[in-house]
Amino acid sequence: DIQMTQSPSSLSASVGDRVTITCRASQGISNYLAWFQQKPGKAPKSLIYEASSLQSGVPSKFNGSGSGTDFTLTISSLQPEDFATYYCQQYNSYPRTFGQGTKVEIK
Amino acid sequence: EVQLLESGGGLVQPGGSLRLSCAASGFTFSSFTMSWIRQAAGKGLEWVSTVSENGDSTYYADSVKGRFTISRDDSKNTVSLRMNSLRAEDTAVYYCVRGGWVYWGQGTLVTVSS
Repeated sequence: DIQMTQSPSSLSASVGDRVTITCRASQGISNYLAWFQQKPGKAPKSLIYEASSLQSGVPSKFNGSGSGTDFTLTISSLQPEDFATYYCQQYNSYPRTFGQGTKVEIK
Repeated sequence: EVQLLESGGGLVQPGGSLRLSCAASGFTFSSFTMSWIRQAAGKGLEWVSTVSENGDSTYYADSVKGRFTISRDDSKNTVSLRMNSLRAEDTAVYYCVRGGWVYWGQGTLVTVSS
């Protein structure tokens, strides 16, 4: 099984900050990586697919990059609505696996 | 508008069974894989199972293999998850997800407890 490791597990940031979350796969997954945002009590929301493609309607302040085993999600100019938990997920092979999540909190 | 509506969650004793259903609308159901994802309270997301577009292929997490069965009925636009031999660690909100991972249901809570 492919293990997905996110870092950090949590971070504190201020409105306007730029934040970067990393996701590492235990083996190469090409670009079959997605990023999700989840707010408390809500279903996850898809932000990025194929490592760097923005889902329709997602603001361009979200940027995904990487290929192979190392990936990043960058949020430029953090806004109050961006405070949430973020997950990466590989869909290169079964079983599909998620990272453990990164909680972005207000400093 | 794409809609996914889960049902069937509830309280069940350890060792018991439950059947979750997801009613889909707003898209050509037979053209998409369908998956179940779960999330225990305060924990991360866990992929549970996926069924292929034609239903011929099914995939399961090791944690549920042999106990859970996913199926689909394209005539009714529904996907189901039959859960047997339930354990306390199966307690979670279960989400139905359309292929492409954009559309998720609102989730249904399964609680396994005596």
